[in-house]
Amino acid sequence: EIVMTQSPATLSVSPGERVTLSCRASQTVYSNLAWYQHKPGQAPRLLIYGASTRATGIPARFSGSGSGTEFTLTISSLQSEDFAIYYCQQNHKWPRYTFGQGTKLEIK
Amino acid sequence: EVQLVESGGGLIQPGGSLRLSCAASGFTVSSTFMTWVRQAPGKGLEWVSVIYTGGSTYYADSVQGRFTISRDNSKNTLYLDMSALTAEDTAVYYCARGSDEGDFDYWGQGTLVTVSS
Repeated sequence: EIVMTQSPATLSVSPGERVTLSCRASQTVYSNLAWYQHKPGQAPRLLIYGASTRATGIPARFSGSGSGTEFTLTISSLQSEDFAIYYCQQNHKWPRYTFGQGTKLEIK
Repeated sequence: EVQLVESGGGLIQPGGSLRLSCAASGFTVSSTFMTWVRQAPGKGLEWVSVIYTGGSTYYADSVQGRFTISRDNSKNTLYLDMSALTAEDTAVYYCARGSDEGDFDYWGQGTLVTVSS
């Protein structure tokens, strides 16, 4: 099983700041990496697929990069609605899809 | 518009069985792969099961032999039959649509399953 490790677990930031979230895979997943945003009581939302392609309707302030085992999600200028938990997920070794443990963005 | 609506969750005693449903609209469940993901209280997302267009099914080790994923094309609905439930199965269960790129592009709001005596 491919283990996905996200860092940090929690990030305290202020609106308007630029943030970078990290995700590491225990073995290469090439570019088969997705990022999701999850708010309490809501459905998770796909943000990025293929490591760097924004999903439909996702604002340009969200960007993804990386390949192989190291990936990042960057939010260029945090908006109030961006405070949530973010998960990375590999879909290279299907059907054994695995998620990272999540990074919580909280308001400083 | 793509929509997924889960139902069937509730309080169930350890050892019991439950069937979750996921009604889809805006697409057909047989046209792409469909999956179940769960989130236990205070925990992250955990993939549970997947059914591919050809009918192949796969499960996480934690539910293998106890859960069964299926779909009814005439009702455009995905199911998850759960048996031999334990407290560790307590979670919000989400159904999600698989995309051509392999990610999960649409999710339902989830249904809560609580296993407790």
